[in-house]
Amino acid sequence: QEQLMQSGAEVKKPGASVKVSCKASGFTFGITVTNFYFHWVRQAPGQGLEWMGVIMPDGGFTSYAQRVQDRLILTRDKLTSTFYMELSSLKSEDTAIYFCARGPPAVSGEGFDLWGQGTLVSVSS
Amino acid sequence: DIQLTQSPSFLSASVGDRVTITCRASQGIGSYLAWYQHKPGKAPKLLISTAFHLESGVPSRFSGSGSGTEFTLTISGLQPEDFATYYCQQLNDYPLVAFGQGTKVEVK
Repeated sequence: QEQLMQSGAEVKKPGASVKVSCKASGFTFGITVTNFYFHWVRQAPGQGLEWMGVIMPDGGFTSYAQRVQDRLILTRDKLTSTFYMELSSLKSEDTAIYFCARGPPAVSGEGFDLWGQGTLVSVSS
Repeated sequence: DIQLTQSPSFLSASVGDRVTITCRASQGIGSYLAWYQHKPGKAPKLLISTAFHLESGVPSRFSGSGSGTEFTLTISGLQPEDFATYYCQQLNDYPLVAFGQGTKVEVK
């Protein structure tokens, strides 16, 4: 069964950093993790979905939303099919549920078909 | 950047109602649009890709239409499990994407 399993909730103080993991498993034989882009999306309390960035496992291509590009680093460990989102200089407005999601390998109009369960990151002094 | 504007932001409806949500793009995006359903405490669920393609397992009461700059999501015969927030997503600049601000469908 294909799934994305995220790490647990985090509580951080303003100015700190947080690193959330997302492990991919169960992908069908012949369709590997490297066939897809993996994205990070967050939802702050009472707000909508906000796309944060994307990483391509094969080659490590990354791209970030302008709003967080100075503070966000996406990485991956190909051996363990695990993706990481590290957000630094945390502010109270970074309090949100963070999701990883699988996207298609190319421009196709197809959406994100597989999502992690979400990780709550709380930023408070 | 391509902006998406959904309308309405909130919608009150009853079970059995036909519900229509509109998503407008600031510039043409062909059919590179997806729709999601999101419930509190859950991951978003992909309903429709390429503007009108229903994902496997999604009930046929959901349908999508449109191209270019105007798109609609229609729920024909709202069911109790359909009360949720719905988002459109543009994939024209993929792998860079953006979501609309969401439409919350509430019980009337």
